[in-house]
Amino acid sequence: TQLLEQSPQFLSIQEGENLTVYCNSSSVFSSLQWYRQEPGEGPVLLVTVVTGGEVKKLKRLTFQFGDARKDSSLHITAAQPGDTGLYLCAGARVRGGSQGNLIFGKGTKLSVKP
Amino acid sequence: NAGVTQTPKFQVLKTGQSMTLQCAQDMNHEYMSWYRQDPGMGLRLIHYSVGAGITDQGEVPNGYNVSRSTTEDFPLRLLSAAPSQTSVYFCASSDPKGGANVLTFGAGSRLTVL
Repeated sequence: TQLLEQSPQFLSIQEGENLTVYCNSSSVFSSLQWYRQEPGEGPVLLVTVVTGGEVKKLKRLTFQFGDARKDSSLHITAAQPGDTGLYLCAGARVRGGSQGNLIFGKGTKLSVKP
Repeated sequence: NAGVTQTPKFQVLKTGQSMTLQCAQDMNHEYMSWYRQDPGMGLRLIHYSVGAGITDQGEVPNGYNVSRSTTEDFPLRLLSAAPSQTSVYFCASSDPKGGANVLTFGAGSRLTVL
């Protein structure tokens, strides 16, 4: 059972376009994280959101945690080729989870063409 | 800072062979975990450890063993390799004092089982 549904799975856009990646679940999470992974490397943390309704900004990236803490979104404004990579959302379950035991979405492979 | 170091980077095995993937971290993190990443499947948790001497199973533990004799090291053993274990393996660590399950990943070990 995939607890975290991430969409879209693939996204190919032109430089300068905006995009949104979604991460949805029927489960409640105590926190949710977004990672970015480049080929041949491990995922690297972008942001952690903890509070329902929380919005965090990282330059051109805006992250939002749903009010009910079941979903999250990542919005990129004016995408650049350097944004190309695999974006992963990961949630820490409220019950039954422990530190370092995260549920990952399947990822969104983003390609930004010049 | 070295962070999380995984060896080997690449490995080819024949069906039935055994091997150990090594993972070491120098951040004094209590929590360590192993994930496998397969196309279209995202990251799936194999085993995790909340401290030296303590390990537990994740989502896909069959065919793998782990031990945690020291805080720094968390090796993953494949007892009798099968083609279904062809994957990219990631080791990660986290510090409970850091909060919110923030994972630091190694660069990965790509395993092919023929």
